[in-house]
Amino acid sequence: AQSVTQLGSHVSVSEGALVLLRCNYSSSVPPYLFWYVQYPNQGLQLLLKYTTGATLVKGINGFEAEFKKSETSFHLTKPSAHMSDAAEYFCAVRSANDYKLSFGAGTTVTVRA
Amino acid sequence: DAGITQSPRYKITETGRQVTLMCHQTWSHSYMFWYRQDLGHGLRLIYYSAAADITDKGEVPDGYVVSRSKTENFPLTLESATRSQTSVYFCASRERGTGGFNEQFFGPGTRLTVL
Repeated sequence: AQSVTQLGSHVSVSEGALVLLRCNYSSSVPPYLFWYVQYPNQGLQLLLKYTTGATLVKGINGFEAEFKKSETSFHLTKPSAHMSDAAEYFCAVRSANDYKLSFGAGTTVTVRA
Repeated sequence: DAGITQSPRYKITETGRQVTLMCHQTWSHSYMFWYRQDLGHGLRLIYYSAAADITDKGEVPDGYVVSRSKTENFPLTLESATRSQTSVYFCASRERGTGGFNEQFFGPGTRLTVL
């Protein structure tokens, strides 16, 4: 069984500042890890994913995340926040031998001008 | 329209009524999923389906019924709606296989309010 913990339900950053969203997971088998973004009144869109290989993965809109097995973490970062990054972000995990995702509770990002 | 669609987008109903939420995908994906999204809980899996006529319970199935007679459709029915089922419901689909390249695609959601 997998579980996902997102630290901080709400993050507020200034435009141009670093965005850091934290995600920790527990999994009994090697996981696949995902970050999804949800803009207001829309469905979820995949930002990036880690499956195998390079532990630093780059996604859309300038986001990247690093898989750290020793820390069971998959934190999401963006060097410089833009107003358009205001959204809710979800971390998700699934086992390599499964097709069901387990989601974290989500983190809402607000960007201040 | 190509992709995954949900209808209705917004629904208000009363306690005890039956409500059906529709989900349609045009990719012929094998797997389909229903989630509910509630503040503080993220997305929780209600039911999923691996193929037509194959469905299984997820994390929070009580009070819901699904069917899948055609690959492209996966309706979710609340047989007797309760206030606790007020939520945003998302449908998703993905291609067969557990490989890492097969991601889930989400519909736009249905916002359901039970009075």
